[in-house]
Amino acid sequence: AQSVTQLDSHVSVSEGTPVLLRCNYSSSYSPSLFWYVQHPNKGLQLLLKYTSAATLVKGINGFEAEFKKSETSFHLTKPSAHMSDAAEYFCVVSTYSGGGADGLTFGKGTHLIIQP
Amino acid sequence: DTGVSQDPRHKITKRGQNVTFRCDPISEHNRLYWYRQTLGQGPEFLTYFQNEAQLEKSRLLSDRFSAERPKGSFSTLEIQRTEQGDSAMYLCASSDPRAREAKNIQYFGAGTRLSVL
Repeated sequence: AQSVTQLDSHVSVSEGTPVLLRCNYSSSYSPSLFWYVQHPNKGLQLLLKYTSAATLVKGINGFEAEFKKSETSFHLTKPSAHMSDAAEYFCVVSTYSGGGADGLTFGKGTHLIIQP
Repeated sequence: DTGVSQDPRHKITKRGQNVTFRCDPISEHNRLYWYRQTLGQGPEFLTYFQNEAQLEKSRLLSDRFSAERPKGSFSTLEIQRTEQGDSAMYLCASSDPRAREAKNIQYFGAGTRLSVL
Protein backbone atom coordinates (compact mmCIF):
# COMPACT_ATOMS: atom_id res chain seq x y z
CA ALA A 1 0.00 0.00 0.00
CA GLN A 2 1.14 3.52 -0.62
CA SER A 3 0.01 6.91 0.58
CA VAL A 4 1.00 10.55 0.52
CA THR A 5 0.45 13.19 3.16
CA GLN A 6 0.78 16.85 2.31
CA LEU A 7 1.24 18.55 5.62
CA ASP A 8 -0.25 21.93 4.71
CA SER A 9 -3.51 22.51 2.88
CA HIS A 10 -2.61 26.19 2.31
CA VAL A 11 0.73 28.00 2.23
CA SER A 12 1.00 31.77 1.87
CA VAL A 13 4.29 33.53 1.10
CA SER A 14 5.30 36.95 -0.12
CA GLU A 15 6.63 37.39 -3.63
CA GLY A 16 10.40 37.00 -3.66
CA THR A 17 10.55 34.87 -0.49
CA PRO A 18 11.31 31.13 -0.31
CA VAL A 19 8.64 28.49 -0.78
CA LEU A 20 8.45 25.21 1.16
CA LEU A 21 5.70 22.67 0.49
CA ARG A 22 5.92 19.61 2.70
CA CYS A 23 5.19 16.01 1.73
CA ASN A 24 5.60 12.68 3.49
CA TYR A 25 5.04 9.35 1.80
CA SER A 26 4.48 5.75 2.72
CA SER A 27 5.33 2.91 0.37
CA SER A 28 6.02 -0.81 0.56
CA TYR A 29 8.40 -0.67 -2.37
CA SER A 30 11.01 1.72 -3.68
CA PRO A 31 8.85 4.61 -4.79
CA SER A 32 8.89 7.01 -7.64
CA LEU A 33 7.88 10.43 -6.38
CA PHE A 34 6.56 13.42 -8.28
CA TRP A 35 5.31 16.93 -7.80
CA TYR A 36 2.58 18.15 -10.10
CA VAL A 37 1.13 21.65 -10.33
CA GLN A 38 -2.43 22.50 -11.29
CA HIS A 39 -3.37 25.99 -12.39
CA PRO A 40 -7.07 26.86 -12.62
CA ASN A 41 -8.71 25.46 -15.74
CA LYS A 42 -5.48 23.82 -16.85
CA GLY A 43 -4.20 20.28 -16.77
CA LEU A 44 -1.81 18.89 -14.23
CA GLN A 45 1.76 19.72 -15.15
CA LEU A 46 4.76 17.74 -13.99
CA LEU A 47 7.23 19.85 -12.00
CA LEU A 48 9.79 17.19 -11.20
CA LYS A 49 10.28 13.50 -10.51
CA TYR A 50 12.44 11.28 -8.32
CA THR A 51 13.18 7.76 -9.54
CA SER A 52 16.05 6.50 -7.35
CA ALA A 53 18.80 8.52 -8.97
CA ALA A 54 20.05 11.73 -7.35
CA THR A 55 18.22 12.55 -4.12
CA LEU A 56 18.12 16.28 -4.94
CA VAL A 57 15.91 16.72 -7.95
CA LYS A 58 15.66 19.90 -10.00
CA GLY A 59 12.49 20.68 -11.86
CA ILE A 60 10.99 23.38 -13.99
CA ASN A 61 10.46 27.01 -13.02
CA GLY A 62 13.17 26.94 -10.35
CA PHE A 63 11.57 24.29 -8.16
CA GLU A 64 13.52 21.47 -6.57
CA ALA A 65 12.82 18.67 -4.11
CA GLU A 66 14.94 16.46 -1.89
CA PHE A 67 14.20 12.80 -1.29
CA LYS A 68 15.00 11.80 2.30
CA LYS A 69 14.43 8.11 2.82
CA SER A 70 15.13 8.23 6.57
CA GLU A 71 12.39 10.83 7.00
CA THR A 72 10.14 9.46 4.20
CA SER A 73 9.87 13.01 2.96
CA PHE A 74 9.93 14.72 -0.42
CA HIS A 75 9.55 18.43 0.27
CA LEU A 76 9.29 20.94 -2.58
CA THR A 77 11.21 24.20 -2.43
CA LYS A 78 11.86 27.30 -4.47
CA PRO A 79 14.27 30.08 -3.44
CA SER A 80 12.14 32.99 -4.59
CA ALA A 81 8.39 32.91 -5.18
CA HIS A 82 6.81 34.53 -8.21
CA MET A 83 3.21 35.58 -8.61
CA SER A 84 2.80 33.02 -11.38
CA ASP A 85 3.57 30.23 -8.88
CA ALA A 86 0.15 30.62 -7.29
CA ALA A 87 -1.56 27.28 -7.91
CA GLU A 88 -2.44 23.91 -6.38
CA TYR A 89 0.51 21.56 -5.86
CA PHE A 90 0.24 17.79 -5.55
CA CYS A 91 2.78 15.38 -4.16
CA VAL A 92 2.42 12.01 -5.87
CA VAL A 93 3.80 8.52 -5.34
CA SER A 94 3.95 5.70 -7.84
CA THR A 95 4.88 2.19 -6.87
CA TYR A 96 5.00 -0.46 -9.50
CA SER A 97 4.13 -3.61 -7.65
CA GLY A 98 4.54 -5.79 -10.69
CA GLY A 99 0.97 -6.95 -10.58
CA GLY A 100 -0.94 -3.96 -11.76
CA ALA A 101 -0.96 -0.43 -12.99
CA ASP A 102 1.53 2.17 -12.06
CA GLY A 103 -1.46 4.26 -11.12
CA LEU A 104 -0.53 7.34 -9.22
CA THR A 105 -1.51 8.09 -5.62
CA PHE A 106 -2.01 11.81 -5.06
CA GLY A 107 -1.89 13.83 -1.89
CA LYS A 108 -4.78 16.15 -1.13
CA GLY A 109 -2.90 19.13 -2.46
CA THR A 110 -1.38 22.34 -1.10
CA HIS A 111 -2.80 25.63 -2.26
CA LEU A 112 0.07 28.10 -2.70
CA ILE A 113 -0.85 31.75 -2.30
CA ILE A 114 1.61 34.46 -3.29
CA GLN A 115 1.19 37.82 -1.59
CA PRO A 116 2.38 40.87 -3.57
CA ASP B 1 -1.10 20.68 -29.85
CA THR B 2 0.26 17.21 -29.20
CA GLY B 3 -0.79 16.88 -25.57
CA VAL B 4 -3.65 14.90 -24.03
CA SER B 5 -6.99 16.33 -25.08
CA GLN B 6 -10.35 15.79 -23.44
CA ASP B 7 -13.82 16.57 -24.69
CA PRO B 8 -16.04 18.16 -23.57
CA ARG B 9 -14.41 20.53 -21.10
CA HIS B 10 -17.66 20.99 -19.23
CA LYS B 11 -20.82 18.89 -19.03
CA ILE B 12 -23.99 19.73 -17.17
CA THR B 13 -26.58 17.00 -16.94
CA LYS B 14 -29.65 16.05 -14.97
CA ARG B 15 -29.64 13.22 -12.49
CA GLY B 16 -30.43 9.93 -14.16
CA GLN B 17 -29.03 10.84 -17.57
CA ASN B 18 -26.11 9.09 -19.24
CA VAL B 19 -22.95 10.99 -20.16
CA THR B 20 -19.88 10.08 -22.18
CA PHE B 21 -16.47 11.71 -22.15
CA ARG B 22 -13.66 11.31 -24.64
CA CYS B 23 -9.90 11.34 -24.18
CA ASP B 24 -7.28 11.48 -26.92
CA PRO B 25 -3.86 10.57 -25.53
CA ILE B 26 -0.50 11.67 -26.79
CA SER B 27 0.04 9.74 -29.98
CA GLU B 28 1.98 6.49 -29.54
CA HIS B 29 1.41 6.46 -25.78
CA ASN B 30 0.15 2.96 -25.18
CA ARG B 31 -1.05 3.52 -21.61
CA LEU B 32 -4.12 5.58 -20.83
CA TYR B 33 -5.50 6.38 -17.38
CA TRP B 34 -8.70 7.83 -16.00
CA TYR B 35 -8.85 9.71 -12.70
CA ARG B 36 -11.59 11.52 -10.80
CA GLN B 37 -10.97 14.69 -8.82
CA THR B 38 -13.55 16.09 -6.43
CA LEU B 39 -13.41 19.57 -4.97
CA GLY B 40 -10.55 20.05 -2.55
CA GLN B 41 -9.07 16.62 -3.16
CA GLY B 42 -6.30 15.16 -5.23
CA PRO B 43 -7.12 13.02 -8.26
CA GLU B 44 -8.09 9.40 -7.56
CA PHE B 45 -7.24 6.55 -9.92
CA LEU B 46 -10.21 4.94 -11.69
CA THR B 47 -8.86 2.65 -14.38
CA TYR B 48 -6.14 2.19 -16.97
CA PHE B 49 -5.55 0.65 -20.38
CA GLN B 50 -2.52 -0.88 -21.99
CA ASN B 51 -3.34 -0.47 -25.67
CA GLU B 52 -6.97 -1.66 -25.96
CA ALA B 53 -6.91 -3.87 -22.86
CA GLN B 54 -8.39 -2.54 -19.64
CA LEU B 55 -5.99 -3.95 -17.09
CA GLU B 56 -7.10 -2.51 -13.78
CA LYS B 57 -10.18 -0.96 -12.26
CA SER B 58 -10.41 0.82 -8.94
CA ARG B 59 -13.15 0.11 -6.42
CA LEU B 60 -14.30 3.67 -7.17
CA LEU B 61 -15.44 2.50 -10.59
CA SER B 62 -19.00 1.36 -9.88
CA ASP B 63 -21.12 -0.70 -12.27
CA ARG B 64 -22.56 2.53 -13.69
CA PHE B 65 -19.14 3.44 -15.06
CA SER B 66 -17.66 1.89 -18.15
CA ALA B 67 -14.52 2.76 -20.05
CA GLU B 68 -13.37 1.62 -23.47
CA ARG B 69 -10.40 2.03 -25.70
CA PRO B 70 -11.48 0.06 -28.75
CA LYS B 71 -8.54 0.64 -31.08
CA GLY B 72 -5.89 1.41 -28.54
CA SER B 73 -5.98 5.11 -29.34
CA PHE B 74 -8.72 7.33 -27.90
CA SER B 75 -10.80 6.27 -24.91
CA THR B 76 -14.33 6.97 -23.71
CA LEU B 77 -15.68 7.00 -20.18
CA GLU B 78 -19.44 6.56 -19.84
CA ILE B 79 -21.47 7.13 -16.71
CA GLN B 80 -24.98 5.71 -16.74
CA ARG B 81 -27.83 6.97 -14.56
CA THR B 82 -25.76 9.83 -13.21
CA GLU B 83 -26.05 10.80 -9.55
CA GLN B 84 -25.20 14.08 -7.86
CA GLY B 85 -22.23 12.37 -6.25
CA ASP B 86 -20.73 11.87 -9.69
CA SER B 87 -20.11 15.60 -9.97
CA ALA B 88 -16.35 15.95 -10.29
CA MET B 89 -13.50 16.66 -12.67
CA TYR B 90 -12.64 13.60 -14.76
CA LEU B 91 -9.01 13.57 -15.80
CA CYS B 92 -7.29 11.51 -18.45
CA ALA B 93 -3.57 10.83 -18.62
CA SER B 94 -1.27 8.89 -20.91
CA SER B 95 2.21 7.48 -20.65
CA ASP B 96 4.75 5.50 -22.59
CA PRO B 97 6.45 2.90 -20.38
CA ARG B 98 8.92 2.21 -23.18
CA ALA B 99 10.33 5.74 -23.00
CA ARG B 100 13.61 5.64 -21.17
CA GLU B 101 13.53 9.05 -19.53
CA ALA B 102 9.77 9.44 -19.30
CA LYS B 103 9.02 5.88 -18.25
CA ASN B 104 6.99 6.67 -15.15
CA ILE B 105 5.61 10.02 -16.22
CA GLN B 106 1.92 10.49 -16.85
CA TYR B 107 0.81 13.46 -18.93
CA PHE B 108 -2.59 14.87 -18.06
CA GLY B 109 -5.34 16.51 -20.04
CA ALA B 110 -7.23 19.55 -18.77
CA GLY B 111 -10.15 17.38 -17.69
CA THR B 112 -13.90 17.27 -18.14
CA ARG B 113 -15.88 18.95 -15.38
CA LEU B 114 -19.19 17.18 -14.79
CA SER B 115 -22.03 18.82 -12.91
CA VAL B 116 -25.04 16.66 -12.13
CA LEU B 117 -28.13 18.68 -11.18
